[in-house]
Parts: sequence; C-alpha cells; structure tokens
Amino acid sequence: NAGVTQTPKFRVLKTGQSMTLLCAQDMNHEYMYWYRQDPGMGLRLIHYSVGEGTTAKGEVPDGYNVSRLKKQNFLLGLESAAPSQTSVYFCASSYSLQEDSRETQYFGPGTRLLVL
Amino acid sequence: GENVEQHPSTLSVQEGDSAVIKCTYSDSASNYFPWYKQELGKRPQLIIDIRSNVGEKKDQRIAVTLNKTAKHFSLHITETQPEDSAVYFCAASIRRGSTLGRLYFGRGTQLTVWP
Repeated sequence: NAGVTQTPKFRVLKTGQSMTLLCAQDMNHEYMYWYRQDPGMGLRLIHYSVGEGTTAKGEVPDGYNVSRLKKQNFLLGLESAAPSQTSVYFCASSYSLQEDSRETQYFGPGTRLLVL
Repeated sequence: GENVEQHPSTLSVQEGDSAVIKCTYSDSASNYFPWYKQELGKRPQLIIDIRSNVGEKKDQRIAVTLNKTAKHFSLHITETQPEDSAVYFCAASIRRGSTLGRLYFGRGTQLTVWP
C-alpha cells in the first residue's frame, strides 16, 4: 500500500495564479484533511471531509477550496495565490472500520508551495 | 472550539537524560490525546496516544500521562537518544461513539538531543 500520497512535491507560483493540490489514499479511510504548517504555528486545519461528497471548514479556510468527489481523493484548490499562502501543505486521512485505532491520522509527505 | 497549548517550544537535553513535554487543553469533553513526531523534512507520525479512561500509557522509552481534572497531559521520553531529535506535537479530540472529531494540535516542541 502506498498510504497517503500528495502531488506535486514542490511548486512555485506567482501571485494571482491558481493551482490544485492532489491527495490520494489507498487505506479506505472515511476522513481526509488538509493542513498547512508554518514555522512556530504547528499544524493548522484548512478543510476536512468526513466522507465522499462532504467537506467542512477548519480554522484557516480563507483563500482555499476543496472537493471530495471520490472517497480516495481530496483536492485542495488555491483560486488566486497570495504570498501569505507560502507554506508546507500536508494531507492526512483517518478512520476505517477495519482498523483498531480509528483515530490515527496518517499524513502524506507534504507539498512545499512558494508564492512569489 | 478546543484550544491546545504546548510547552516548551524548544527543549535541549543530553543523550541519556529524560525529556518532558507538557500540553493543556480547554474543552473538558476532549477524550483522545495523541502525540505526533515529525523528523526534519518528514511527515508527522503518531508515536503514542491515550484515551481519557486511562491515566498513563507506556511504550518502551516513551510514556504519556493524563490529568483530566487539571486538563493537561504530558509526553515523557526516557534515556533519550540523538534519533529522538524532532518536533513533537500534542493534540486533542473528542470521540462520541463512532463519530470522530477533528484534531486540535499544539504548536510543537523542537527536541534536540546532544550526544
């Protein structure tokens, strides 16, 4: 199993450009999450999904949109990138009825985004 | 919503010494408390977790304690080794039956173990 994968690994954008980050998981998890990580700020939740076709806002949702059209994929979109969105983005997934520890979140390798 | 505070933000110890990281939470309904370790340039990974129905849990050199009354929990690492150097995050969540709440993370502790 690949676990949780993210594409791309690294991206440079100019202010105002748009892009989509893709997260995929092969663990049959119900829940998926997008976090951003900035120095000294820990992991802040952007958006999350508790099932296919559902999404919800986290603590820093402004400037981002998400979609969960398929259970295994969770997309994060930046419509008009700003320098303040320079960060490392982590996707995570959790909760399978087949697992003993359903709360464990499994993280992807991260995407480094630089907005100039 | 829940507020999780973590201290200290940085911690340096000599190899072989113990390290303790403390977290407090605000929502008394929180009942699940995981700790994640993130090595430099890597993804966060769960190292240990505790549920509110127990006060302490151990796994080899790491242990977590929980004080529900005071609303704080701590990570203890004994006999530290250089490979323990990483950022450690605490988190809190509420689980009601089969419904899982989101994780609220602390800001992290950079642990450095000097040989």
